[in-house]
Amino acid sequence: DSGVTQTPKHLITATGQRVTLRCSPRSGDLSVYWYQQSLDQGLQFLIQYYNGEERAKGNILERFSAQQFPDLHSELNLSSLELGDSALYFCASSPGAGGSYEQYFGPGTRLTVT
Amino acid sequence: KNQVEQSPQSLIILEGKNCTLQCNYTVSPFSNLRWYKQDTGRGPVSLTIMTFSENTKSNGRYTATLDADTKQSSLHITASQLSDSASYICVVSRMDSNYQLIWGAGTKLIIKP
Repeated sequence: DSGVTQTPKHLITATGQRVTLRCSPRSGDLSVYWYQQSLDQGLQFLIQYYNGEERAKGNILERFSAQQFPDLHSELNLSSLELGDSALYFCASSPGAGGSYEQYFGPGTRLTVT
Repeated sequence: KNQVEQSPQSLIILEGKNCTLQCNYTVSPFSNLRWYKQDTGRGPVSLTIMTFSENTKSNGRYTATLDADTKQSSLHITASQLSDSASYICVVSRMDSNYQLIWGAGTKLIIKP
């Protein structure tokens, strides 16, 4: 158990809908990262937050947005969902912002868009 | 272009055998290189992190090597077990303002009894 929690575990929704994925980092970690992993694909970095501020942006679509709250939990909002958005979404956390820190991954949220 | 390439794409070996996975990178400037293990449907778990000055690092039956001159790394698994069946992902961190991580596509390892 990494100490990173994600909810929900599974989510099934229809095209055009909007969903929110939630992540709670390990105690004491200030950075949160979001990744997308489509079936049999590698992990795609979406976005990083550090202590409430956006730190780095990857291949995140404009239909997706994220935020990190004062209690350091983070939410990833996916809107106007398309079939291709079906994937595993992972959250990771680390103590600091830099790449020298270990990232600890949560169990993921499996999103199915029908 | 900053890239991380892994080989082979997939590998099947018998339980108890050893294997070596390869990672070549063109990431610059280099900060560190990590190997992750990802079980199907689960989040990746870190095996090792190596900086520029480290040539070898072990974690149980896993041994990673790094040659910063040739920009190559390998992950050697000794006496494989069924539980080693997973994807192994090489990740290189750039020493830029964001310490960007460049992820490899992974090697899918299957251990057969």
